[in-house]
Amino acid sequence: DQQVKQNSPSLSVQEGRISILNCDYTNSMFDYFLWYKKYPAEGPTFLISISSIKDKNEDGRFTVFLNKSAKHLSLHIVPSQPGDSAVYFCAASAQTGANNLFFGTGTRLTVIP
Amino acid sequence: DAGVIQSPRHEVTEMGQEVTLRCKPISGHNSLFWYRQTMMRGLELLIYFNNNVPIDDSGMPEDRFSAKMPNASFSTLKIQPSEPRDSAVYFCASSSSGRLLVHEQFFGPGTRLTVL
Repeated sequence: DQQVKQNSPSLSVQEGRISILNCDYTNSMFDYFLWYKKYPAEGPTFLISISSIKDKNEDGRFTVFLNKSAKHLSLHIVPSQPGDSAVYFCAASAQTGANNLFFGTGTRLTVIP
Repeated sequence: DAGVIQSPRHEVTEMGQEVTLRCKPISGHNSLFWYRQTMMRGLELLIYFNNNVPIDDSGMPEDRFSAKMPNASFSTLKIQPSEPRDSAVYFCASSSSGRLLVHEQFFGPGTRLTVL
């Protein structure tokens, strides 16, 4: 059973506009969340993370928002660039538990020039 | 640092054959993870090791799958016998679990396995 869900398999956005990728989780023990980006023929690379003690974390064009009550997080990319076209994976972990991550199925973002 | 190294990058084999995937983690990392990526389930954790010891292998799909980590710099994932449904991209990742507040894992480039 998927504990981390990304319900949108794909998203297309115009260059310069905002991209919003969504992620939901079911396990209330999760308290640390990460986003990974994956280009074709490469492994996923870490992008940004957030702890459950925060509701927002920003790094340049990338911002992650966490809504614990809704068990929902989102990744905002502003402005979107063609180089952002990739598959984005949401992942979750319980800091007090084992150090493995639970990944979603990914969302393919296409930024149209 | 060369990052996580996986070999081979591509493997095509026939059903029933044995397949061995290899991984060299980042030097100094003490946790190693094997994942399988499929369209339906995304990145599935198969097994992970901490200090060369298997901690959780509940994701290993069947007894046909086995993994070893004989030392801190090498791990293998073996499928015997292989079946067409094993076709997927297999990733190895490593992390340093000593950094308690960071769960970042570093992934290798993956091995694309095709079983005919």
